[in-house]
Amino acid sequence: GEKVEQHESTLSVREGDSAVINCTYTDTASSYFPWYKQEAGKGLHFVIDIRSNVDRKQSQRLIVLLDKKAKRFSLHITATQPEDSAIYFCAATYTGYQNFYFGKGTSLTVIP
Amino acid sequence: EAAVTQSPRNKVTVTGGNVTLSCRQTNSHNYMYWYRQDTGHGLRLIHYSYGAGNLQIGDVPDGYKATRTTQEDFFLLLELASPSQTSLYFCASSDWGSQNTLYFGAGTRLSVL
Repeated sequence: GEKVEQHESTLSVREGDSAVINCTYTDTASSYFPWYKQEAGKGLHFVIDIRSNVDRKQSQRLIVLLDKKAKRFSLHITATQPEDSAIYFCAATYTGYQNFYFGKGTSLTVIP
Repeated sequence: EAAVTQSPRNKVTVTGGNVTLSCRQTNSHNYMYWYRQDTGHGLRLIHYSYGAGNLQIGDVPDGYKATRTTQEDFFLLLELASPSQTSLYFCASSDWGSQNTLYFGAGTRLSVL
């Protein structure tokens, strides 16, 4: 099955700087790549996703890049704010498949 | 916003004990999932279901049973709990016909002593 590696287990940035979280996957058939955010003591919630028919997607301060050749996707958070501090999970799955494969999570701290 | 409610929020049991974790979603989603979250492993899928009476096996099903009694309710059963099942458990739902977005509950922290 698919394996998703999330490269940064922790990340600290200064408020206003950009944060980048990188993930790689193994199965070329994977076609849907969502990102989830987990704030302290809470469940995960969806933040942004990208499908394999595009290589870039932006939603406000969040940018997701997908490099299918390298089997790599990344989350860029621009102009970081303290409320961006959380654990971020990347995931991958196949079109029409019900199981999401998650990375191990990146704990992001934004230093005021 | 989809609502997924888990109960209890915290549970302590002993080795060999019997535990049921409950999950209810109120958005008529067809898919429901049980995940466990452990440091160093991220989220791992235990069981999932695409409707009442249906059960599919996930990636780490050993020691767990699950039952989907209605569209809304999905239960995770640990009949002989072991310390290795100490974890944070999340229920999630999704409407697979839409954007595949998972909606998570707040989690149940289970300790098996």
